[in-house]
Amino acid sequence: EAGVAQSPRYKIIEKRQSVAFWCNPISGHATLYWYQQILGQGPKLLIQFQNNGVVDDSQLPKDRFSAERLKGVDSTLKIQPAKLEDSAVYLCASSLGPTFRGNEKLFFGSGTQLSVL
Amino acid sequence: AQSVTQLDSHVSVSEGTPVLLRCNYSSSYSPSLFWYVQHPNKGLQLLLKYTSAATLVKGINGFEAEFKKSETSFHLTKPSAHMSDAAEYFCVVRTGFQKLVFGTGTRLLVSP
Repeated sequence: EAGVAQSPRYKIIEKRQSVAFWCNPISGHATLYWYQQILGQGPKLLIQFQNNGVVDDSQLPKDRFSAERLKGVDSTLKIQPAKLEDSAVYLCASSLGPTFRGNEKLFFGSGTQLSVL
Repeated sequence: AQSVTQLDSHVSVSEGTPVLLRCNYSSSYSPSLFWYVQHPNKGLQLLLKYTSAATLVKGINGFEAEFKKSETSFHLTKPSAHMSDAAEYFCVVRTGFQKLVFGTGTRLLVSP
């Protein structure tokens, strides 16, 4: 079975530029997550989608970050404008359903490593 | 609020010796706890989960973890380390809002 696909693998930009990441979850997975993993820290949930609706975006810095999952399949995460502190690995994950239904097995992609100079 | 604390940022073992990765949790009620593993350049993978059934949980690749309420701990163990076990390990708790909150991670180094 194909895993969670993410692109690009690496991205280097200057501060105040914009950047977009793409994620294609495992086929049939209704729930999609974007996590931010800063060096030396554990992943932090940015946003969670259930199909094409947002379930949780409480930790998404909405003044600069946006995400969409228009057709309930693949998703894009955008940062505009980027700041130095946005340097991190951005992980996409998917699951059959939300975690409260016992579907705690998240399948993660390899991530996009963002460096903001 | 629920949280987890991983007590060691790095653990070094020799191949064939036991592995112990420590995790303490904070929760006002019986938590759901997990261990995930992250190999270099690979995605995070679920090792095992505890959801209030048996306190000793067996996972993949010979790992297991024991939930100890009296000690608020959920330590990960393996009897004999293999070179392929070298990776970053994350202890995770599911919060009351159904989020997964990750610890800061423990890097396991295995020497020949």
